[in-house]
Amino acid sequence: AQSVAQPEDQVNVAEGNPLTVKCTYSVSGNPYLFWYVQYPNRGLQFLLKYITGDNLVKGSYGFEAEFNKSQTSFHLKKPSALVSDSALYFCAVRDERTGGFKTIFGAGTRLFVKA
Amino acid sequence: NAGVTQTPKFRILKIGQSMTLQCTQDMNHNYMYWYRQDPGMGLKLIYYSVGAGITDKGEVPNGYNVSRSTTEDFPLRLELAAPSQTSVYFCASSGSTGTGTEAFFGQGTRLTVV
Repeated sequence: AQSVAQPEDQVNVAEGNPLTVKCTYSVSGNPYLFWYVQYPNRGLQFLLKYITGDNLVKGSYGFEAEFNKSQTSFHLKKPSALVSDSALYFCAVRDERTGGFKTIFGAGTRLFVKA
Repeated sequence: NAGVTQTPKFRILKIGQSMTLQCTQDMNHNYMYWYRQDPGMGLKLIYYSVGAGITDKGEVPNGYNVSRSTTEDFPLRLELAAPSQTSVYFCASSGSTGTGTEAFFGQGTRLTVV
């Protein structure tokens, strides 16, 4: 069965410091992995994805994520956090064998960046 | 290009009432989805559609119904509303599923059942 875990409910970081939001997953086949961000009273917005190829993927707003197959992880990172990065972040996984309607979302991690 | 549009943004229902949440997309996407978002629980798939005239149940379909008469529209119907249906509902669409295409989300409908 597919699953995705975001072990931290909240991550606090000072502006200018690097940030990491953690995600681990479990699928039977090869994973498609996504990160979405949700700002207050808005829908989810796509940040980046890993389908195949280079393990380090770059996305919107300076975010990047590293796919680690041995650790089944897909952590979201940014070298220098901004106050405007404060939002709710969701990791999602899709098993390539079961198609898009089986996308599983994590519970979300709230990122708080302090000025 | 409006993307995915949901209406209404907010609604309060009494127990036993019914309502329809509207969702429309202008990206000519074949795949559409309804999710509910409960605090600390992430998103749960209610129903999905792979094209006009084709719908199927997701993880939590009980108490809901959908229809897909056109590519653009995917309304979600709540019959006999219950407090357990208090949630934020998101409609989403994607151009395909087998190639890792990301989903586009509407702004959500916050529903309270009292």
